[in-house]
Amino acid sequence: KQEVTQIPAALSVPEGENLVLNCSFTDSAIYNLQWFRQDPGKGLTSLLLIQSSQREQTSGRLNASLDKSSGRSTLYIAASQPGDSATYLCAVDDNTDKLIFGTGTRLQVFP
Amino acid sequence: EPEVTQTPSHQVTQMGQEVILRCVPISNHLYFYWYRQILGQKVEFLVSFYNNEISEKSEIFDDQFSVERPDGSNFTLKIRSTKLEDSAMYFCASSPGLAGVRETQYFGPGTRLLVL
Repeated sequence: KQEVTQIPAALSVPEGENLVLNCSFTDSAIYNLQWFRQDPGKGLTSLLLIQSSQREQTSGRLNASLDKSSGRSTLYIAASQPGDSATYLCAVDDNTDKLIFGTGTRLQVFP
Repeated sequence: EPEVTQTPSHQVTQMGQEVILRCVPISNHLYFYWYRQILGQKVEFLVSFYNNEISEKSEIFDDQFSVERPDGSNFTLKIRSTKLEDSAMYFCASSPGLAGVRETQYFGPGTRLLVL
C-alpha cells in the first residue's frame, strides 16, 4: 500500500531563505507526483506536476525534482517570501487514478 | 482562468439526513474526483469518475455514498444518511485527461460539512 511522508512537518524561516521540502513514497511505481499549496481553511492550489518519466519541473521560484527509484521528491523554494506561508502537500498518483497525499509541511516565512 | 466551483461552501446537517454536495468541474475536463479532509488530517481520496462511470473508489466510499453527473456540467456527491464522522471538508477536483493521460488535478475551494 502506497504511503506518502513529508518532512519536516513544520518549518519557520526568515524571509529570503532558500528552502527544501521533502516528500517520500514507499512504492516507486507511480504515474505522476503533484505538489500543492493549501492556505488555512482553503482549497488546494496546484503548484507543479511531475510525470513519472520526468526528473524535474520548474515554475518561477519553485523547482520540484523526482527520484522514482529512491521514492523521493523535493520542492525547492528560492528566495522565500511571507506570502509563501502555507501548508505544502505532496501527492502521488499510484497508477490507480487517485492521488495519495502526505501530511504536509506547514511553512511560515517571517519578515 | 477556469476553475472548479463547489456549492455550498458550508453545510450543517443533522445525523441521518441526506446531503448533496455540488461541483462544477472545469469545462472540457474528462476526469472527476471527490476527496475529503477531516480537520487536522490528510486529504483522502473518495472516488474517481471517468467516461460516465466510477473508475476507482476507496474503502470510505461505501453504500452511503454515490456520485452522479446529471448533465454536462455538474458533478455531485450524495451522502444518503450522514454520520458524525462524515464531518469534513469535501473537495471536488477535475483533470483534463486528453488522450487518456492523467494530468494535473485542479481542486475546488471545498464544502465544509458539519454533521450534528
